[in-house]
Parts: sequence; structure tokens; C-alpha cells
Amino acid sequence: NAGVTQTPKFQVLKTGQSMTLQCAQDMNHEYMSWYRQDPGMGLRLIHYSVGAGITDQGEVPNGYNVSRSTTEDFPLRLLSAAPSQTSVYFCASSYNGQDNEDTEAFFGQGTRLTVV
Amino acid sequence: GEDVEQSLFLSVREGDSSVINCTYTDSSSTYLYWYKQEPGAGLQLLTYIFSNMDMKQDQRLTVLLNKKDKHLSLRIADTQTGDSAIYFCASDSPSGGSYIPTFGRGTSLIVHP
Repeated sequence: NAGVTQTPKFQVLKTGQSMTLQCAQDMNHEYMSWYRQDPGMGLRLIHYSVGAGITDQGEVPNGYNVSRSTTEDFPLRLLSAAPSQTSVYFCASSYNGQDNEDTEAFFGQGTRLTVV
Repeated sequence: GEDVEQSLFLSVREGDSSVINCTYTDSSSTYLYWYKQEPGAGLQLLTYIFSNMDMKQDQRLTVLLNKKDKHLSLRIADTQTGDSAIYFCASDSPSGGSYIPTFGRGTSLIVHP
């Protein structure tokens, strides 16, 4: 069982370039989310999705787009990379928390992005 | 929305107990979680507690929940150097109708000989 798979693991971009961070899960989870992790800031939610075709903004959405055309995939797009987007990005998936199911989040291994 | 707070650092001697504290703001949280992040890795669930419990024990780990004060703690008995990591508290408050967890900033646990 692969769980949550993120690619690439490392990426260097020039300012102004665009790219897509891939995230896929094979657990049939309804919820998927993207976080960025910066020193002293913990995990900040960028965008999330509660099901295919539904996305919403988190705490720090500016400069990022997402889409959820399938249950399995939740790509994160950087439209025009800026040095402030240098960070470690984590994708996570979880159940929807209905019927008192626990909502444990399963995380990918992270993508280390540097924008120069 | 939900706000989860925890201190940034904790330093303990090997063999002592560690206690990591967390506060949250949304009393409607159903589950509260502790995640562990080792260097260069993603977060992994360590343990969790359902909101109608006040204590949960799992080997060296003890989770205490005070719902009245919205305070959660993680106690690690006989702390080992392998316990050095960042520990994140998380709450699944259903604000906005979804259960996307809200994370604290993480507590870096440093275990020294």
C-alpha cells in the first residue's frame, strides 16, 4: 500500500517559472490537503479538497492553484514562483470524519522547493 | 477558525520524562492528535485521543486531555535519543463543515545524554 506519494522530492526553480507538485493517494480518502512547512511556522494550510471537484483555500493560498479531478490526485501549481515560496511542501489525505471516524492525516514525504 | 498553540522547544536528559503541552481553541474538536516528524521526513501519527476521554496510555506515551481548559499534553516516559524529533499537536475541529486538521507550530524535542 503506497499511501501518499509526492513528486518530485527536490526542485530548484528560477523566479517566475511555473511548476506542478504532484500528490497521489491510494486509500480512497475524500480529504486531501497541501501544507507548507517553514522554520518556526509549523504547518500552514495552502489549499484543501473535501472531494473530487471541490477545492477551497486554506491559510496561505496566494500564488498557488489546485484542482481535484479525481479522488486520487491533488496537484499543486505554482503559477509564477517567488523566493518567498521556498519551503518544504507536504501533501496529506484523510477520511472525512463523519460518523465519528478518526481523521488521521497520512502525509507524503515532502517536496523541498528552492526558488532562486 | 481553530488555533493550536504549543511551545517551540523542549530539552530533556536521556531517561527523564518529557511533557509536551498544547492548547486549542475549538471545543467542538472530536479528535486530538500527536504527530512526530523525524529529520527529512513527513509527519507520522504517534497517538490520538477521542474528545470524550481524558487519558490514553500507549506504552511509554501518555496523553492527557483537559476539555474544560482545552489543554492537551503528551508525556514520554524514559525518553531516549531516538525520541528527538518535532512533535505536532493537531485538532480536527469541524469548522466550516470539514475536518481538515489544524496543526500547532511543532515542539522540537532535544534529548541529550
